[in-house]
Amino acid sequence: SQTIHQWPATLVQPVGSPLSLECTVEGTSNPNLYWYRQAAGRGLQLLFYSVGIGQISSEVPQNLSASRPQDRQFILSSKKLLLSDSGFYLCAWSGAGSYGYTFGSGTRLTVV
Amino acid sequence: DAKTTQPPSMDCAEGRAANLPCNHSTISGNEYVYWYRQIHSQGPQYIIHGLKNNETNEMASLIITEDRKSSTLILPHATLRDTAVYYCIVRSSGAGSYQLTFGKGTKLSVIP
Repeated sequence: SQTIHQWPATLVQPVGSPLSLECTVEGTSNPNLYWYRQAAGRGLQLLFYSVGIGQISSEVPQNLSASRPQDRQFILSSKKLLLSDSGFYLCAWSGAGSYGYTFGSGTRLTVV
Repeated sequence: DAKTTQPPSMDCAEGRAANLPCNHSTISGNEYVYWYRQIHSQGPQYIIHGLKNNETNEMASLIITEDRKSSTLILPHATLRDTAVYYCIVRSSGAGSYQLTFGKGTKLSVIP
């Protein structure tokens, strides 16, 4: 069966520090991968999606970047965090063997 | 993708059926109706999807009107654990349709 792993679950980082969030999928190949963000009290916003290794599409201009170094690995990064980067970050995958999207458990990022 | 309209909140008594409506009057022929839910501080969870026929699975039933301009998600016997935000999403199944756009959803509160 397919599983998605996302870590860490919570993270507190100072303003100006770098960020790296990792997401991996098991049990499938060539998945579509997604990063979403949910700010406090707000809806889910699609940040990036990837349809293959090295292929990244950005939905909104921002302080973040994404990379897909391997087929089932998706990384969200920032060189310098801003206070406005705080939020709940969710990784998801779609593709063969899944109905719709399957989301990870999320990372709650607080920038202080 | 077509836009959806949902009531912002609903209450349901525990053990009763919860009927969550969704309007999608601009839906096109190749667009599916998806339902997800998000329990507080967790990632969204896929519930059910359909094109034009009514669908049922172990979680819920989906009733789509004949003109496909609206649908209803039915939780037959709501429990306290069904308290969540429920999202109705219309999405094309065509190639290149990678986005899953979440609106504000309906906050369902199941009351003891």
